[in-house]
Amino acid sequence: GAGVSQSPSNKVTEKGKDVELRCDPISGHTALYWYRQSLGQGLEFLIYFQGNSAPDKSGLPSDRFSAERTGGSVSTLTIQRTQQEDSAVYLCASSLGRGDSYNEQFFGPGTRLTVL
Amino acid sequence: GQSLEQPSEVTAVEGAIVQINCTYQTSGFYGLSWYQQHDGGAPTFLSYNGLDGLEETGRFSSFLSRSDSYGYLLLQELQMKDSASYFCAVRDAGRRALTFGSGTRLQVQP
Repeated sequence: GAGVSQSPSNKVTEKGKDVELRCDPISGHTALYWYRQSLGQGLEFLIYFQGNSAPDKSGLPSDRFSAERTGGSVSTLTIQRTQQEDSAVYLCASSLGRGDSYNEQFFGPGTRLTVL
Repeated sequence: GQSLEQPSEVTAVEGAIVQINCTYQTSGFYGLSWYQQHDGGAPTFLSYNGLDGLEETGRFSSFLSRSDSYGYLLLQELQMKDSASYFCAVRDAGRRALTFGSGTRLQVQP
């Protein structure tokens, strides 16, 4: 079956512009997560969705970052007024959303964001 | 909060066995997971330990000791394709997101 997909795969933008990153989770997965990864580093949690609700937004680094999820499926991460420190790979993951399945997350290929 | 420590790099030869250790500090604990990530690729799930002991999946095994806040990933019969970064991750009780370590880069040499 189809895995997690993300678009675009690469995004180059100018400082100060807004960007939108899209994630399509695995069908039937109610839990969706956004992480970001800087070069050679671990994954940094941003936000978690259960259905369309975001009970954990604790990782969003500033109010320039926001995300939404609609229809319990597609999610969009928006970064406003991008800064150079926002440059990273943004990874989306999904999981079944119950029990031990939270530990087994399925990741998309990521969006590489470069802010010039 | 949580913190995890794992070695930054490990080198081994084809056919050998390698162990990647992970120690963690959390305010609560709900399991230790391991993920593999090849350069330029997405992280993929390898194993999960919710209870103490050893979990085996083919050439890979993972161990957890909750009393020692310690776990390891054991890779046997190393192959060149095992060259990748390996991340340990914990989930705090009551949370759904994972906190990842900074990763161990494994280089398998012929």
